[in-house]
Amino acid sequence: SQQGEEDPQALSIQEGENATMNCSYKTSINNLQWYRQNSGRGLVHLILIRSNEREKHSGRLRVTLDTSKKSSSLLITASRAADTASYFCAPAAVDSSYKLIFGSGTRLLVRP
Amino acid sequence: DAGVIQSPRHEVTEMGQEVTLRCKPISGHDYLFWYRQTMMRGLELLIYFNNNVPIDDSGMPEDRFSAKMPNASFSTLKIQPSEPRDSAVYFCASSLTSGSSNEQFFGPGTRLTVL
Repeated sequence: SQQGEEDPQALSIQEGENATMNCSYKTSINNLQWYRQNSGRGLVHLILIRSNEREKHSGRLRVTLDTSKKSSSLLITASRAADTASYFCAPAAVDSSYKLIFGSGTRLLVRP
Repeated sequence: DAGVIQSPRHEVTEMGQEVTLRCKPISGHDYLFWYRQTMMRGLELLIYFNNNVPIDDSGMPEDRFSAKMPNASFSTLKIQPSEPRDSAVYFCASSLTSGSSNEQFFGPGTRLTVL
């Protein structure tokens, strides 16, 4: 399956703590992307990591990729209440890179 | 750029009626995607186009659903006849072929309620 599966399904943390979300997939990929969805809104692209990269940073976001384990993680450091949202990973399969299949996401709640 | 534009934002209709959802992708983007999101099934890819041509419609649930892209700046998703189980948020997204990057830009969605 091309779909990414996020873990945990839900995460509740205190403001200022770090949040870690994991993603597993089954196919060979060109890249893997993470998206955020605030309640009632469309998804917003956060970060893309290519298959030949192992780690990438963007502001308070840190993404890792382990292609041998077919897994990725998204770390949000020093979380804020505004980070409350659902987070989705989307692996872009080698044979259909432009098609993304989203999993059920991780619902993150950051308590003030 | 205004981003991906969808209309209407909300639609309430009665069972059996025809529903047409509209999408304007970001100018210059060559891929367009239609998704449906529900609590039960999550975010499902329905169909996507490349250069206005449908590439994969395997996610379209039934013949009641149809999608068109008559030109690079406009696409429609039509449900005829609509049923209560079609109630969902429908998203349109677009992306640009650019090397190995295929970031998708999502519209705000159309919340459809079928009574």
